[in-house]
Amino acid sequence: KAGVTQTPRYLIKTRGQQVTLSCSPISGHRSVSWYQQTPGQGLQFLFEYFSETQRNKGNFPGRFSGRQFSNSRSEMNVSTLELGDSALYLCASSLAPGDEKLFFGSGTQLSVL
Amino acid sequence: AQRVTQPEKLLSVFKGAPVELKCNYSYSGSPELFWYVQYSRQRLQLLLRHISRESIKGFTADLNKGETSFHLKKPFAQEEDSAMYYCALNSGGYQKVTFGTGTKLQVIP
Repeated sequence: KAGVTQTPRYLIKTRGQQVTLSCSPISGHRSVSWYQQTPGQGLQFLFEYFSETQRNKGNFPGRFSGRQFSNSRSEMNVSTLELGDSALYLCASSLAPGDEKLFFGSGTQLSVL
Repeated sequence: AQRVTQPEKLLSVFKGAPVELKCNYSYSGSPELFWYVQYSRQRLQLLLRHISRESIKGFTADLNKGETSFHLKKPFAQEEDSAMYYCALNSGGYQKVTFGTGTKLQVIP
């Protein structure tokens, strides 16, 4: 069974640009959650999607958004990039929200210059 | 609101020494607690969960509801234990999993 796939692996953008990250969950998993990982803040929850609906949202500005498609694949978008958005963005999938076991992707390393 | 606190950003121990990674949580209900680990250049993965009362790679963790703690312990550290460890709380239902800020364990040979 293939794991959680995130693309692209690396991204370099400049301030003010926007970016879209993609996540394909494990087959059969319907819940996808996104996290921002930084050395100083650790793992911070962005949002969670289930059945194409956002179920939970973290404390991030509206520049961060996401969506989920009918095949459970998910995308997150960050508009008007800031230097502080540089981080590793991790996607995790599970069978359903609140499922005890999350399976993580390798992440997308975003660098904002 | 649920919260997970890992007070140590970095914990350095010598090989063969005991290890204790601290985790405290704040939640009014009955939580499920987990430890996730991220080895260098590998994905974040589940290490163990309190409900299973299991020992994985020599690590154990006991949920102490009185102290609201879920510390991760290992009697003798190994070099391969060096990694980033995250404590996580699942409040059940359709709630998100909350992670602590992580503790980097460095085992010195």
